[in-house]
Amino acid sequence: NAGVTQTPKFRILKIGQSMTLQCTQDMNHNYMYWYRQDPGMGLKLIYYSVGAGITDKGEVPNGYNVSRSTTEDFPLRLELAAPSQTSVYFCASSWGTLDGNQPQHFGDGTRLSIL
Amino acid sequence: AQSVAQPEDQVNVAEGNPLTVKCTYSVSGNPYLFWYVQYPNRGLQFLLKYITGDNLVKGSYGFEAEFNKSQTSFHLKKPSALVSDSALYFCAVREVGSYKLIFGSGTRLLVRP
Repeated sequence: NAGVTQTPKFRILKIGQSMTLQCTQDMNHNYMYWYRQDPGMGLKLIYYSVGAGITDKGEVPNGYNVSRSTTEDFPLRLELAAPSQTSVYFCASSWGTLDGNQPQHFGDGTRLSIL
Repeated sequence: AQSVAQPEDQVNVAEGNPLTVKCTYSVSGNPYLFWYVQYPNRGLQFLLKYITGDNLVKGSYGFEAEFNKSQTSFHLKKPSALVSDSALYFCAVREVGSYKLIFGSGTRLLVRP
């Protein structure tokens, strides 16, 4: 059971380049999330999705875009990479229920450096 | 606005001793509270949650957490620490009616042999 899979694990970008961070889950979860984790900080929510075709902004969406064409996949797009986007990015998924008490399952992260 | 505070950047404890990792929260209404653990170069793993009911919640790997509504706290505890418990621990809160988690800044637990 793979859970949440993120690719690539590491990447170095030059300022102004673009890239897509891939995330796929095999648990048939309807909710998916993208977070960034900066040193000494908690996780900040970038975007989330409550189902295929539906996405919404989190706390720090600027400079990022997402799409959710299938239940399984939730790619995160960086356009015009900036040094401030150097971070570790985590994708997560969960069941979305009326009571909202289901835990999130996380991938192992993508470590991104912008130079 | 909802928030979570983890007042200690690091907690040091000797193997075999009890450990406590502190968490306080601020939400309107009844909170859903979670603890996650992160090992090096890995994603977060769910440990336990409080939704309602007993104030003492038991979770994975022998961890438990005590919910205290009057003190708005949700401290993580373990009676006897192991070296393998050394990791980064995150407290998180979800406000009822929201699917978004707000994370604390994390506490690094170091268990020395």
